Amino acid sequence: NAGVTQTPKFQVLKTGQSMTLQCAQDMNHEYMSWYRQDPGMGLRLIHYSVGAGITDQGEVPNGYNVSRSTTEDFPLRLLSAAPSQTSVYFCASRTLTGGYTEAFFGQGTRLTVV
Amino acid sequence: DAKTTQPPSMDCAEGRAANLPCNHSTISGNEYVYWYRQIHSQGPQYIIHGLKNNETNEMASLIITEDRKSSTLILPHATLRDTAVYYCIVRVAGTGTASKLTFGTGTRLQVTL
Repeated sequence: NAGVTQTPKFQVLKTGQSMTLQCAQDMNHEYMSWYRQDPGMGLRLIHYSVGAGITDQGEVPNGYNVSRSTTEDFPLRLLSAAPSQTSVYFCASRTLTGGYTEAFFGQGTRLTVV
Repeated sequence: DAKTTQPPSMDCAEGRAANLPCNHSTISGNEYVYWYRQIHSQGPQYIIHGLKNNETNEMASLIITEDRKSSTLILPHATLRDTAVYYCIVRVAGTGTASKLTFGTGTRLQVTL
């Protein structure tokens, strides 16, 4: 049981490049989400999904796209990277059944845009 | 979601109890208190949650005041591995889509020898 797996762990992009951050979970969780964390700050929600084919925006969605074609995967796409998107990105998942459910987080992707 | 207030940093000697306070004076009756921690930029880790009764698990204890306007997370015997940023989060319980986690800046706990 791997939990939540994020790839890559580190990435450097040039301004204007695009890329996809991968997130996969093997716990059959319905809910998946992406956060970003800037230095000295808490995590901010970018996008989330409550199941395959359903996504919604969080508090800082601009510049990011997501899709959810399967329960397991929730990729985050940067369409045209900007230096302001330099951050650490965390993916999280949890089940939507059975009362309170804790969120499980991946180990993060550290992205630098130059 | 109710806003929380935490001290930015605290120190604790190894082996002693670490008591981390959280103020949530605007908490609503259906909102729970959750604690997560983040060790050295790893992904956050769930610790404990509660509504109005005190809670204890293998990691920590959670003490919630009777008026529910504040709470304290207690690590009974802190070790160096407990050095982390601790987040107190208040939100509606349940599994609905609105029950998102909103992170503040947390308390940076430094455990020292």
